Amino acid sequence: DTGVSQDPRHKITKRGQNVTFRCDPISEHNRLYWYRQTLGQGPEFLTYFQNEAQLEKSRLLSDRFSAERPKGSFSTLEIQRTEQGDSAMYLCASSSSAQNYGYTFGSGTRLTVV
Amino acid sequence: AQRVTQPEKLLSVFKGAPVELKCNYSYSGSPELFWYVQYSRQRLQLLLRHISRESIKGFTADLNKGETSFHLKKPFAQEEDSAMYYCATLFGNEKLTFGTGTRLTIIP
Repeated sequence: DTGVSQDPRHKITKRGQNVTFRCDPISEHNRLYWYRQTLGQGPEFLTYFQNEAQLEKSRLLSDRFSAERPKGSFSTLEIQRTEQGDSAMYLCASSSSAQNYGYTFGSGTRLTVV
Repeated sequence: AQRVTQPEKLLSVFKGAPVELKCNYSYSGSPELFWYVQYSRQRLQLLLRHISRESIKGFTADLNKGETSFHLKKPFAQEEDSAMYYCATLFGNEKLTFGTGTRLTIIP
């Protein structure tokens, strides 16, 4: 297990296109989180899963955003009809609900909408 | 709602000088506090958590409930400490809330 993996590392897309990102958490972690980070800001919470259940969604997550974790392992984050304001680093993290050791983050997916 | 404030966006310190990165939180309760660090071209990683009372890479942080602060300190800065530092809180075993971060630059 090499930690949290995110794919792709970079994505450039035209405005209006749909994009999908993938996150593979640490295998023994039952919680998975998505964050967004823009320049000069700290990571902002988007949503999180415990196993396959999506337990919370931020108000930042508009209807164009959807996240899934169908089998309680990897997760996908889809953005439909991308806008320039969606350009950001999308971070995935995982943790164990049984322990408060903090999160393990992936390297992120940098999205640029042109 | 939880809020984490890091008042300094940028901090420059000479090598060998003491470092203090400020963090204040607004929360009624007993949150868990963390410091995360992001070195250039690397992923965000956990530096330390208050509950473990540990010292990592010479850094310590003391939770002051009276002042609702969790400042990060190191007595003698090293060049490799240059990085982005984020304070974060966790309450009730739910999501982490991050501050806006402080970019620390160590001047040789």
